[in-house]
Amino acid sequence: QVQLVESGGGVVQPGGSLRLSCAASGFTFSSFAMHWVRQAPGKGLEWVAFMWSDGSNKYYADSVKGRFTISRDNPKNTLYLQMNTLRTEDTGVYYCARKFGGSYTLDYWGQGTLVTVSS
Amino acid sequence: QSALTQPRSVSGSPGQSVTISCTGTSSDVGAYNYVSWYQQYPGKAPKLMIYDVSKWPSGVPDRFSGSKSGNTASLTISGLQAEDEADYYCCSYAGSYTWVFGGGTKLTVL
Repeated sequence: QVQLVESGGGVVQPGGSLRLSCAASGFTFSSFAMHWVRQAPGKGLEWVAFMWSDGSNKYYADSVKGRFTISRDNPKNTLYLQMNTLRTEDTGVYYCARKFGGSYTLDYWGQGTLVTVSS
Repeated sequence: QSALTQPRSVSGSPGQSVTISCTGTSSDVGAYNYVSWYQQYPGKAPKLMIYDVSKWPSGVPDRFSGSKSGNTASLTISGLQAEDEADYYCCSYAGSYTWVFGGGTKLTVL
């Protein structure tokens, strides 16, 4: 079965950096585009970033453009999110999600990893 | 990239039907038939309930249905059950490989 497991969250000071990982299993990772989505405490979902299956193209929400970088290692079945110049408003649970092959839909989601930006 | 507009809360009694609206713009909901709906329990990951406006993923009961008119999409849950009490989010493709979510709706089963 499809499984996505995020890791790498933690507490970081404003201006700091963090790298999140998402380990994929149960499907052919290299054939699927992937997303990162976040959710601030008690708030709604916010789309963060998207990457094609071969890693050739990347897209970002305006709120993270220039600070976050999405990447992937297909042989390792792993998706990454490098987060730099973190702000308090970046605090939240970060989910990786798979793009449904036949649509512009996010079909499977991981359980998320919590990032707290605080001094 | 403004969030889609959803009611903050809706409620209904067991067996009744409820509808959750999701209003966007002509650049997202109105432009594409790629609206999806997610169910989220507290502390859990979102689960896909409806995709491409009105299609069901495998395993989702047909009590859940979706539709769209203009810039507004809707999720209808019929035959409400206690287990349907959760937060619901809509999501739309917004072009140029960007996506936008709604603010979320808390469904209470009375």
